[in-house]
Amino acid sequence: KAGVTQTPRYLIKTRGQQVTLSCSPISGHRSVSWYQQTPGQGLQFLFEYFSETQRNKGNFPGRFSGRQFSNSRSEMNVSTLELGDSALYLCASSLDSSSTEAFFGQGTRLTVV
Amino acid sequence: GNSVTQMEGPVTLSEEAFLTINCTYTATGYPSLFWYVQYPGEGLQLLLKATKADDKGSNKGFEATYRKETTSFHLEKGSVQVSDSAVYFCALSPQGGSEKLVFGKGTKLTVNP
Repeated sequence: KAGVTQTPRYLIKTRGQQVTLSCSPISGHRSVSWYQQTPGQGLQFLFEYFSETQRNKGNFPGRFSGRQFSNSRSEMNVSTLELGDSALYLCASSLDSSSTEAFFGQGTRLTVV
Repeated sequence: GNSVTQMEGPVTLSEEAFLTINCTYTATGYPSLFWYVQYPGEGLQLLLKATKADDKGSNKGFEATYRKETTSFHLEKGSVQVSDSAVYFCALSPQGGSEKLVFGKGTKLTVNP
């Protein structure tokens, strides 16, 4: 059974640009959640999607958005990039929105210069 | 709100030493509790979990017991190996609430031969 796949693994963007990250969950999993990992703030919850609907959202500005497709694949978008958005972005998949067990991808390392 | 506090380390041990990483939490209701491990350049892997008070999670020689009375979930291993070197995260999944997972800051463990 394939795990959670995140693409791309690495990205370098310039301040002010926008970026889209992709996550394919484990087959059969319908919930996808996103996290930002930085040395200073640690792991912080961004949002969760289930059945193409955003279920929950963390304390991040509106520049951070996401969506989920009918095949459960999810994308997150960050607009007007800032230097502080440099981080490892992790995606996790769960069977459904009530499932407490989450399986993580390897992450996308975003560097904003 | 929900929060997790864990000893930040870094922790350096010799092979075959005993390991304890302390974790305490604040949450309403009865959260599920987890330990995740992150190896260099990788995403997070679920190490063990406990879903109710007095449950003991265990995997690969690691153990943690859900202590409701002390709101703790300390990670222990009787004899660590060099291959256990990684960053360990304590996390909770709130009962209800707006976040899928709430993480501690992580504890970096280095095991020397």
